[in-house]
Amino acid sequence: RKEVEQDPGPFNVPEGATVAFNCTYSNSASQSFFWYRQDCRKEPKLLMSVYSSGNEDGRFTAQLNRASQYISLLIRDSKLSDSATYLCVVGHNDMRFGAGTRLTVKP
Amino acid sequence: ETGVTQSPTHLIKTRGQQVTLRCSSQSGHNTVSWYQQALGQGPQFIFQYYREEENGRGNFPPRFSGLQFPNYSSELNVNALELDDSALYLCATNPGRGGEETQYFGPGTRLLVL
Repeated sequence: RKEVEQDPGPFNVPEGATVAFNCTYSNSASQSFFWYRQDCRKEPKLLMSVYSSGNEDGRFTAQLNRASQYISLLIRDSKLSDSATYLCVVGHNDMRFGAGTRLTVKP
Repeated sequence: ETGVTQSPTHLIKTRGQQVTLRCSSQSGHNTVSWYQQALGQGPQFIFQYYREEENGRGNFPPRFSGLQFPNYSSELNVNALELDDSALYLCATNPGRGGEETQYFGPGTRLLVL
């Protein structure tokens, strides 16, 4: 079993759609959780950290369920510029990345 | 901008050769982590250094080695290159010890092994 597993995707959605990504992790001792965004042929960039209480940043909402070892990312009112690969990242002394989920938002 | 730079940006090597990739971060970023990202995959953790000492290692063979220097620069060395080593190599840094806090990535080095 992989340490971090994500929806395989790809997701192709129209502008304005709401899209949700799911992620599970295997190490119950993991201490930190993130969503990173990676554009084609670029480095990953932090989108948001994920907290047990849930957190929201504009159109983006992240949730963490430690009991189920599950992380989610919700994007509302998606824009063309949201097209990217979204990486679920789990930290415990070091960072472990999921394989990423590719999102394409179409006009 | 993250303040993390990497060199070279692109590199072509042949099987069996050795390569050194470099990373430079902003002052005060004591931890540097190196990752290998194959096409279509997420970054895979290679190893991490904290204040010039190895502080964790992923599932990579010993021919992958590294160094961290007092001036917040670091190196990734790969000996006896194999075709499967072709990938994007990323370094990421953060101020604290360990990599569980937010990391800041460099733009990466694209390595092609022929």
